[in-house]
Amino acid sequence: SAVISQKPSRDICQRGTSLTIQCQVDSQVTMMFWYRQQPGQSLTLIATANQGSEATYESGFVIDKFPISRPNLTFSTLTVSNMSPEDSSIYLCSVRSDEQYFGPGTRLTVT
Amino acid sequence: AQSVSQHNHHVILSEAASLELGCNYSYGGTVNLFWYVQYPGQHLQLLLKYFSGDPLVKGIKGFEAEFIKSKFSFNLRKPSVQWSDTAEYFCAVRPSGSARQLTFGSGTQLTVLP
Repeated sequence: SAVISQKPSRDICQRGTSLTIQCQVDSQVTMMFWYRQQPGQSLTLIATANQGSEATYESGFVIDKFPISRPNLTFSTLTVSNMSPEDSSIYLCSVRSDEQYFGPGTRLTVT
Repeated sequence: AQSVSQHNHHVILSEAASLELGCNYSYGGTVNLFWYVQYPGQHLQLLLKYFSGDPLVKGIKGFEAEFIKSKFSFNLRKPSVQWSDTAEYFCAVRPSGSARQLTFGSGTQLTVLP
C-alpha cells in the first residue's frame, strides 16, 4: 500500500499568481501522477511525473502552465501558474504500485 | 482511446434499498476495471477491481460488481445500502497490462436517506 499526503489541503489565490502543490508518498514509487477534478466533473489526468526526466503531459495540458518536479521516488510538486478562475479545482496526486492510490487532494479556489 | 460512461449522475435511495450503479466502457481490447468511492471530505479509495477470472467481484463494505463482457459493462451493486454509503462513486478502466493511466467516468453521487 501507499500513503500519500498533499500540501496545502486548500488555498484561495488571486488570479495571475502561482501555487505549488506538494505530494509526499510514504514509499518509493516509480509512477506518480497528477489529476484535476473540476467541480461536478470527473478526474482528468494532467501529467505523469517521471523521476529524473521531464513530466509527460496529457493533451490539453502544457508544461508552462503546470510545471512539475520529481526530484526523487517519494516526492513531486505541481505548480499551477498564472492562475485564472477556470483553474479552480481539486488537484490530486496519485501513485501506482500494487494498485492505484490517491492523495487527499488540494482544493484550489482562484478569485 | 478508452472511455467510460456512468449514466446516473445522482441517485437517491432510502436505507435498506438495493443499489445498482451503471458503468459502460468503450475499448476494443482487454481491460482492467475499477470502482472507486469518495466519501464526503475524504480521498478516493478503491472499492473493488476486476482483472480476470470470475466476472463477479466482491469489494469492501458489501459492494460487488459484475463484468459483462458482451455488454461492456461493470455495474456496481449492493443489496442493502446504509446512510454511511452516501458518497460519490467513480468507475474507471485501463487497458490490461498497460502502463497507461486510468480513465474515469463522470461519477455518480449517491445519497442515502436515513
